[in-house]
Amino acid sequence: EDQVTQSPEALRLQEGESSSLNCSYTVSGLRGLFWYRQDPGKGPEFLFTLYSAGEEKEKERLKATLTKKESFLHITAPKPEDSATYLCAVQANSGYALNFGKGTSLLVTP
Amino acid sequence: DGGITQSPKYLFRKEGQNVTLSCEQNLNHDAMYWYRQDPGQGLRLIYYSQIVNDFQKGDIAEGYSVSREKKESFPLTVTSAQKNPTAFYLCASTGRGRGNTEAFFGQGTRLTVV
Repeated sequence: EDQVTQSPEALRLQEGESSSLNCSYTVSGLRGLFWYRQDPGKGPEFLFTLYSAGEEKEKERLKATLTKKESFLHITAPKPEDSATYLCAVQANSGYALNFGKGTSLLVTP
Repeated sequence: DGGITQSPKYLFRKEGQNVTLSCEQNLNHDAMYWYRQDPGQGLRLIYYSQIVNDFQKGDIAEGYSVSREKKESFPLTVTSAQKNPTAFYLCASTGRGRGNTEAFFGQGTRLTVV
């Protein structure tokens, strides 16, 4: 059975304090690993797709990396507007439905 | 603009009542999904459909029903058999083929039992 575990559950950073969020996964054949950002009361917003180990993607202060067992979302010099819940999901070769982790709630204080 | 539209944004259900949540997409995506989100639980898959007139149960389908009569539309009915329906419901769609399988989400419907 596919499993996705995100850590930590919650993270509080000061503005400018870089850190990383972890997503550990087990899946029977990975089609893709996805990162989303979700603001309170809103639908998830797509950030990145990673397809194979060693792949990296960047967008502004965010960088996602992938190994065969986990993915990291690195946040460099975060700003208060980066505060949100970050969701990780895997998609197996057997289908297109995404299996989500429980998310990491990030709070960046000025 | 292409996207997914969910309506209503807020919905109140009385005990024993069926309610239907709307989801429409204009992304020309084949596959559509319904997820439920509860605090601390993450997103859980209710139903999904990969083509018109076909759909499959997800992990928590009991008490829910769906239809897929048109490619653009995938309504979800929360029946009276669903004992704990209060939650945030999210509809999503995906394309096919590498580089096109990320899920795009609507803005959600918050359902409350009164």
